[in-house]
Amino acid sequence: DQQVKQNSPSLSVQEGRISILNCDYTNSMFDYFLWYKKYPAEGPTFLISISSIKDKNEDGRFTVFLNKSAKHLSLHIVPSQPGDSAVYFCAASEWDNYGQNFVFGPGTRLSVLP
Amino acid sequence: DSGVTQTPKHLITATGQRVTLRCSPRSGDLSVYWYQQSLDQGLQFLIQYYNGEERAKGNILERFSAQQFPDLHSELNLSSLELGDSALYFCASSVDVGTYEQYFGPGTRLTVT
Repeated sequence: DQQVKQNSPSLSVQEGRISILNCDYTNSMFDYFLWYKKYPAEGPTFLISISSIKDKNEDGRFTVFLNKSAKHLSLHIVPSQPGDSAVYFCAASEWDNYGQNFVFGPGTRLSVLP
Repeated sequence: DSGVTQTPKHLITATGQRVTLRCSPRSGDLSVYWYQQSLDQGLQFLIQYYNGEERAKGNILERFSAQQFPDLHSELNLSSLELGDSALYFCASSVDVGTYEQYFGPGTRLTVT
């Protein structure tokens, strides 16, 4: 049972346009959400995060929106650049009986076309 | 460069064997995490250590174990290997427990034949 879902395996966007990556989750106990970017042959790199008590967080070209009632978050990249082409992972964190647990989605491959 | 190092980069071994993956966290980070990424899947959280002690456990098989040493480097031991254990294994580190941002190493690709 996937607790964090990224239903679009891939996304193509023109350079300069907006990229919107979506993520859905099922566990209402998640208290923090993160986005990571991954280039081939490298480990994931932290991009941006949001606490469950907020609905928006912005950092330069990257904005994450959280809709708790819909259990949905999205990452907006404006404007998109060719260097943004990578796999983007949505991740969520909760505290359970075993400690702090991190759950990652399967990723969305973003291609920004020049 | 995240500052997290993992060795070896690649590992090929046979079913039934035992391997050890090594991770050195970023300087100053006390917490180490291990993840498994199988083909076309997301990262599966395995286990977390903080300053030498196990702090959180995810979907780690009983055939797998880990430890963190006094110098804070960590090792992930995989035994009785099966074909399905073939995956990328990532180590990540963070400053403290409860810190959400993690710094990932480049991963170790394990192939079980």
